[in-house]
Amino acid sequence: KNEVEQSPQNLTAQEGEFITINCSYSVGISALHWLQQHPGGGIVSLFMLSSGKKKHGRLIATINIQEKHSSLHITASHPRDSAVYICAVAYSEETSGSRLTFGEGTQLTVNP
Amino acid sequence: KAGVTQTPRYLIKTRGQQVTLSCSPISGHRSVSWYQQTPGQGLQFLFEYFSETQRNKGNFPGRFSGRQFSNSRSEMNVSTLELGDSALYLCASSLTRFGPLHFGNGTRLTVT
Repeated sequence: KNEVEQSPQNLTAQEGEFITINCSYSVGISALHWLQQHPGGGIVSLFMLSSGKKKHGRLIATINIQEKHSSLHITASHPRDSAVYICAVAYSEETSGSRLTFGEGTQLTVNP
Repeated sequence: KAGVTQTPRYLIKTRGQQVTLSCSPISGHRSVSWYQQTPGQGLQFLFEYFSETQRNKGNFPGRFSGRQFSNSRSEMNVSTLELGDSALYLCASSLTRFGPLHFGNGTRLTVT
């Protein structure tokens, strides 16, 4: 059983819509990452957070440590946002921040 | 500043052969981590190198190995290739062991 659960698995939206992708994990973490992967395969790190909220452009990431839950929001979505969004966590007991456990990803398609 | 560079981008090998993949981190980054991505298992942590020492290893057989050089460049090696080793291999670098990760575009390995 994957210890990092993402929902939804697939999401189709119209350009301009507000999008939310959710991530839940099972035990204490030192950090949570939101990653973006385009069809070519390369991964871009969007956010790394351990508490609160971060914003970058149209992207917002929040995390609730008590509820073990994080959300990635995209405001005013655009077709170029179409990609797979992956949540990954570094558990507290790990001795490295790069030893990540990954969610299965959310395939986002934004139609014009 | 150049990003993380992985070579080669594509590789085709035959079962039983061995392969070496290369990763050049962002200048100044001392931590390099490797990940495997397959359709069945998703993204999984392989290992992490910091200051030329392997600091962490994921649940992979001993056929998977790696090293890091004094300039922080890293190589990973897979011996006695199996069909199941076909995957996208991604490397990421970080300034510290717990810092934000910067991913390369990956090496796509096909084993026939």
